[in-house]
Amino acid sequence: AQTVTQSQPEMSVQEAETVTLSCTYDTSENNYYLFWYKQPPSRQMILVIRQEAYKQQNATENRFSVNFQKAAKSFSLKISDSQLGDTAMYFCAFMKYSNDYKLSFGAGTTVTVRA
Amino acid sequence: SQTIHQWPATLVQPVGSPLSLECTVEGTSNPNLYWYRQAAGRGLQLLFYSVGIGQISSEVPQNLSASRPQDRQFILSSKKLLLSDSGFYLCACTGDTTDTQYFGPGTRLTVL
Repeated sequence: AQTVTQSQPEMSVQEAETVTLSCTYDTSENNYYLFWYKQPPSRQMILVIRQEAYKQQNATENRFSVNFQKAAKSFSLKISDSQLGDTAMYFCAFMKYSNDYKLSFGAGTTVTVRA
Repeated sequence: SQTIHQWPATLVQPVGSPLSLECTVEGTSNPNLYWYRQAAGRGLQLLFYSVGIGQISSEVPQNLSASRPQDRQFILSSKKLLLSDSGFYLCACTGDTTDTQYFGPGTRLTVL
């Protein structure tokens, strides 16, 4: 079974500044996907960014980018120019190649953006 | 792109009563479907998933069951609710890019 670890339960960042969330995972698989999901106070899970393990280039979506280190099994999320609307719980998730496409989630990191 | 509907949004039920939560999907066909439960301030626990009509896999033995009567309909049920069934229930589906899950708005269940 895959284990996903988010070691930072809570983080706080000033508006317009940058914050980096850490995620590590444990797997023996070579091909897999990694995700970051955002859960704002409404509690709907929103996909932030997706990375395929075979791609060396780090994924980027507007102000969100990842640092994917396959050998280290690390997948951190950087939020640049933080906005108040970024306040949410962020979950890192792992998916191995299979027809069930099941996700293994980390425990989450609560990010608070201060005005 | 896919749209996921969950009904109801909020539910308060007495212990011992039955439960039926519904999830319907639009905008995609033959999706994989998933039910998750989330306790307040915690991570997501996968309860059931389905790769096709009538095909249900259970991840955690519990008081709940799931059914998939149609391709884009997924139902979570219980015959008798327990206090421990309280939580936030999320339905998810794979979309046209089948290797990514998308989530519905969720149902908040309180068992008293």
